[in-house]
Amino acid sequence: EPEVTQTPSHQVTQMGQEVILRCVPISNHLYFYWYRQILGQKVEFLVSFYNNEISEKSEIFDDQFSVERPDGSNFTLKIRSTKLEDSAMYFCASSDLANEQFFGPGTRLTVL
Amino acid sequence: AQSVTQLGSHVSVSEGALVLLRCNYSSSVPPYLFWYVQYPNQGLQLLLKYTTGATLVKGINGFEAEFKKSETSFHLTKPSAHMSDAAEYFCAVSDRNRDDKIIFGKGTRLHILP
Repeated sequence: EPEVTQTPSHQVTQMGQEVILRCVPISNHLYFYWYRQILGQKVEFLVSFYNNEISEKSEIFDDQFSVERPDGSNFTLKIRSTKLEDSAMYFCASSDLANEQFFGPGTRLTVL
Repeated sequence: AQSVTQLGSHVSVSEGALVLLRCNYSSSVPPYLFWYVQYPNQGLQLLLKYTTGATLVKGINGFEAEFKKSETSFHLTKPSAHMSDAAEYFCAVSDRNRDDKIIFGKGTRLHILP
């Protein structure tokens, strides 16, 4: 069964460093998303991406964040200068025309 | 704006007892509704969804939910709890556009008592 994959599963970084979180969506999907979940809190929408551009972004998705689909398979989330409060689980999701989003297993980002 | 309210951050039921997790939503238009489950240290798995048609929706692992428009509710139930049901459950809503974001509730942690 096709699934969304994410790497790495756990990323530890120093405050101020850049991180890139990687996702491989399901191959025939057209819509891509990033969400995050701070420990003990609810899952929050960050950004949606379609046709090689951002469709919508939340207030959380400020200038420190960017997304890219560098090739036909990967979908990345970059945080330019990480802050302590960026520590969270980051989930990638993808969907086709049926409006069901499939989530990856997540990347746990720890900023020290 | 859409929102989701889950009543009870923690719910405990005995093994074999009825599971009822409550969810109310707010939306200006009929939304899509979802329940996701998250096991410890794992990602989000879709339990069931309501898009259109029959208001009683059956999902995986014996769960079901009923969409009640008049009550703006989408409560999750399971007739008989199993130890393996212990997890975090998220109710969620999205608009009916294909690329619309999902808005999640704060989650309910389900504890199963032996």
